Amino acid sequence: DAGITQSPRHKVTETGTPVTLRCHQTENHRYMYWYRQDPGHGLRLIHYSYGVKDTDKGEVSDGYSVSRSKTEDFLLTLESATSSQTSVYFCAISIAPGLAGGNQETQYFGPGTRLLVL
Amino acid sequence: AQKVTQAQTEISVVEKEDVTLDCVYETRDTTYYLFWYKQPPSGELVFLIRRNSFDEQNEISGRYSWNFQKSTSSFNFTITASQVVDSAVYFCALPSSRSEKLVFGKGTKLTVNP
Repeated sequence: DAGITQSPRHKVTETGTPVTLRCHQTENHRYMYWYRQDPGHGLRLIHYSYGVKDTDKGEVSDGYSVSRSKTEDFLLTLESATSSQTSVYFCAISIAPGLAGGNQETQYFGPGTRLLVL
Repeated sequence: AQKVTQAQTEISVVEKEDVTLDCVYETRDTTYYLFWYKQPPSGELVFLIRRNSFDEQNEISGRYSWNFQKSTSSFNFTITASQVVDSAVYFCALPSSRSEKLVFGKGTKLTVNP
């Protein structure tokens, strides 16, 4: 158990509404990630963070922003949700000793958030 | 660029059969890691194994075994004496060398029938 929680676990919202998903970890790991999973596309990286206030874009970052003001929390915001953002969103952490981390280390995933944008 | 191919979209077996899930990858990196994850019907992603490209020895963990062959760029996963609880989608993954993402294959859906 990597101590990752996501909230909410399920959300239904309307097009144009802002939405924030939260990922919380309990073990002070440096790297955190947001992925989305869609049929036919598999898992795709949205954004990631390599420390407090240090974030970078993934391959499908348009329409998403992130923030990390504390080590334990990584927030994903859809500024104005669209139907194409209906998906399952997974948070992940990269576990490594010390300050290391990154995609060469094992990523452990949270339980996921199912988001439906109507 | 890194690429992971899982050619088997779906596999169906009867309980107690052995089953092998194929994973073929492409990378220009000389050293790299490979991963397998399991996604059961409940939806969570469960880490199974991480292997270093330096280590080509087969790995065995209970009924699970992995065969890594650098010469053919393959990292296949075998379940021996399959059980209904093995029913899941299995993903093979490889770190990107240009970004922090994991490059996932499209997954293989395994159904084990009683």
